[in-house]
Amino acid sequence: AQSVTQLGSHVSVSEGALVLLRCNYSSSVPPYLFWYVQYPNQGLQLLLKYTTGATLVKGINGFEAEFKKSETSFHLTKPSAHMSDAAEYFCAGSLNQGGKLIFGQGTELSVKP
Amino acid sequence: DTGVSQDPRHKITKRGQNVTFRCDPISEHNRLYWYRQTLGQGPEFLTYFQNEAQLEKSRLLSDRFSAERPKGSFSTLEIQRTEQGDSAMYLCASSSRNREKNTEAFFGQGTRLTVV
Repeated sequence: AQSVTQLGSHVSVSEGALVLLRCNYSSSVPPYLFWYVQYPNQGLQLLLKYTTGATLVKGINGFEAEFKKSETSFHLTKPSAHMSDAAEYFCAGSLNQGGKLIFGQGTELSVKP
Repeated sequence: DTGVSQDPRHKITKRGQNVTFRCDPISEHNRLYWYRQTLGQGPEFLTYFQNEAQLEKSRLLSDRFSAERPKGSFSTLEIQRTEQGDSAMYLCASSSRNREKNTEAFFGQGTRLTVV
């Protein structure tokens, strides 16, 4: 069975600081992995995805994530936080692209001025 | 294409009433998903369609819930005899999965249901 775990329900950083949001997955087969961002009362917007190939994935708004099979992790990073990055972030996995998504619990990112 | 569209955006209903939500997917997408998201949680899968066929339903989908996608285009999600526990954001997503093209899921803005 597939599951996705996000460590830390709330992360707070200062503007300009590194952002690190953690995600671990559990799957019997190599999964497809995604990071979505959600602003209040909005749907989910795709930040980036890992399907096959390069393990370092770059997404929108300066975010990137690295797929590490040995650690079953897919952590999201951004070198320098911006106030507009404050939102809820969800890591999700799927056994195939376009398939059913299993979501983590979400991490709320706060950015302090 | 304007993306996945959901209607209404907000719905307040009294306990025991029936409600119906609509989702219009991206036009060339053959898969359509419904998820439910409660406060402070990640979305949970409810059901999905490939074209007009409903291929999987979660155990979360009690018999008060029914979803349809009659012509393989838009979908409706109906909740009968609503309960306060049904209060949540209902998200629709669509994707393409066939021999020619596979895409990730694109989400609509969601319908926020409040049962009073």
